Amino acid sequence: DVKVTQSSRYLVKRTGEKVFLECVQDMDHENMFWYRQDPGLGLRLIYFSYDVKMKEKGDIPEGYSVSREKKERFSLILESASTNQTSMYLCASTPAGGLRNTIYFGEGSWLTVV
Amino acid sequence: GDSVTQMEGPVTLSEEAFLTINCTYTATGYPSLFWYVQYPGEGLQLLLKATKADDKGSNKGFEATYRKETTSFHLEKGSVQVSDSAVYFCALSTDYGNNRLAFGKGNQVVVIP
Repeated sequence: DVKVTQSSRYLVKRTGEKVFLECVQDMDHENMFWYRQDPGLGLRLIYFSYDVKMKEKGDIPEGYSVSREKKERFSLILESASTNQTSMYLCASTPAGGLRNTIYFGEGSWLTVV
Repeated sequence: GDSVTQMEGPVTLSEEAFLTINCTYTATGYPSLFWYVQYPGEGLQLLLKATKADDKGSNKGFEATYRKETTSFHLEKGSVQVSDSAVYFCALSTDYGNNRLAFGKGNQVVVIP
């Protein structure tokens, strides 16, 4: 089975802190994604990466950056956390090549910024 | 741009009732369509998918048919169980090659015994 692992399930951080959310997938997928999920807003794409060291902005990249130094790992970085970044963050991955591939999600990281 | 619209509001129903969750989409070209389910405290899991018009996806008693003429992909289940209580998201693939997904806002389904 494909496994997407998010290292932290629950985090509490202070305003202004730098926050790292880590995601690892074990199926050699080319594409990886970070979404945030908020009540009433559904899932919104923050960033995605289709190869090592490659990244593209999603719909809401402001206040975030990402790093993909190795194929299996995709990190989301909040340079200076703010309370409006309190949310659930979901990592996902999929192989390259076409619309029909299933996207696999991690279990999510609940981030609270106080 | 490409988008997905789900019916508003949570859905509450009794065990063994019929469930329908409406989903319509706007897209250029011919997207693939998906339903994902999120059980409490968990990430999203693929429930079913359809990759071309008139395809029917099915899994765990759930079904959805890709209707190009009405741009819809409604989710149905004939007899729900308490264990079906979850949030359901409709989604479509919007980008060739990179598999970007556009999601609807999700519907909370609560099944009462």
